[in-house]
Amino acid sequence: QAVVTQEPSLTVSPGGTVTLTCGSSTGPVTTTNYPYWFQQKPGQAPTTLIYDTDHKHSWTPARFSGSLLGGKGVLTLAGARPEDEADYYCLLSYSGVVVFGGGTKLTVL
Amino acid sequence: QVQLQESGPGLVKPSEALSLTCTVSGDSITRYSWGWVRQPAGKGLEWIGNVFVTANSEFSAPFKSRVTMSVDQSKNQFSLTLKSVTAADTAVYFCAVWIGSHWFDYWGPGILVTVAS
Repeated sequence: QAVVTQEPSLTVSPGGTVTLTCGSSTGPVTTTNYPYWFQQKPGQAPTTLIYDTDHKHSWTPARFSGSLLGGKGVLTLAGARPEDEADYYCLLSYSGVVVFGGGTKLTVL
Repeated sequence: QVQLQESGPGLVKPSEALSLTCTVSGDSITRYSWGWVRQPAGKGLEWIGNVFVTANSEFSAPFKSRVTMSVDQSKNQFSLTLKSVTAADTAVYFCAVWIGSHWFDYWGPGILVTVAS
């Protein structure tokens, strides 16, 4: 089974920009992996922020965006707010088989 | 908007089966694909499996041999059964549904299942 890698932790200043990455043990992440990004706050269910690399849901704040860069999926948060402090998980699909990354704990400080 | 609620026993004995139900409200389950994800305490998300509106399904390799997923359209529910559980199956279990080709649009709040004697 593929392994999906994320930074264990990152820190961003309020108002700052941070990028979270999502890598794959099988090679470059591409659009055919349909990268997803989820936000999870303590004691809550995850919320889907980004699907299919760069698509946003109606509830996704505009400050979040998804892309591919350097063979990885990327979640960019521009203009971080205190309420963005959370765990962020990426998901990759391997021909319909889903693998979650280990998650990134984002601190806004 | 569709809402989900997991239900089932919070405590299961080792070697027994874990059975959970996800009740869908606000819409018909027949419109949705659905799946299960779990999260051990303090750890990351772990995908268990998906069942699509086409009736096709995909399961995570570690669970394939002991997982069953089914739907009861008359009750607007779907379920997860995991056989031969061990302490390693202790986790919060989430159900999720989606319409179309992008997954996990809507999530239940999760239910903690502890495997212990």
